[in-house]
Amino acid sequence: DAKTTQPTSMDCAEGRAANLPCNHSTISGNEYVYWYRQIHSQGPQYIIHGLKNNETNEMASLIITEDRKSSTLILPHATLRDTAVYYCIVRPGGYNKLIFGAGTRLAVHP
Amino acid sequence: DAGVIQSPRHEVTEMGQEVTLRCKPISGHNSLFWYRQTMMRGLELLIYFNNNVPIDDSGMPEDRFSAKMPNASFSTLKIQPSEPRDSAVYFCASTSELENEQFFGPGTRLTVL
Repeated sequence: DAKTTQPTSMDCAEGRAANLPCNHSTISGNEYVYWYRQIHSQGPQYIIHGLKNNETNEMASLIITEDRKSSTLILPHATLRDTAVYYCIVRPGGYNKLIFGAGTRLAVHP
Repeated sequence: DAGVIQSPRHEVTEMGQEVTLRCKPISGHNSLFWYRQTMMRGLELLIYFNNNVPIDDSGMPEDRFSAKMPNASFSTLKIQPSEPRDSAVYFCASTSELENEQFFGPGTRLTVL
């Protein structure tokens, strides 16, 4: 599985956009980029995933660079409830395993 | 749907005792995963099943750990004998080919004294 690199922690003001970067320079052509988050004491929660095109859903947007070596998860209007650890994971399509790294601890403050 | 159900939510036991954690996946899901989370090691995949068959148990730490899935709606993770270093939060997750995501349960917090 391709390895990902994320900043250890980030801060964001409530109401502002939170932009969480992820580096996956060794990603293979058939590997998707997935984002999950884990709010304190809860199980991880799926956010979004993509292959090469940018994706948007009700929770977030995912921007993948053209060379696919990095991506950014965007929470357009962060709230205090978005305080969590965010995990960027790459895995082949149709492949079940998720390998979690250390993630980015996002703190949203008033 | 109630989501993935895990029991117990909290378990405190003494070293050497047998511990059994239980998981009921979402109805219709045919893949089930057991994870362990600690401060030191983060979130680790222990084992996963597909159609009730263990596919990958490479994350199971040692022979003291065993997992079973006797049917599509129930799985157990057993630790015998338990040790203090087994203290962690254990998560169960399920999914199917129709889903893009794994759905996680609330976890079982295990403390071995």
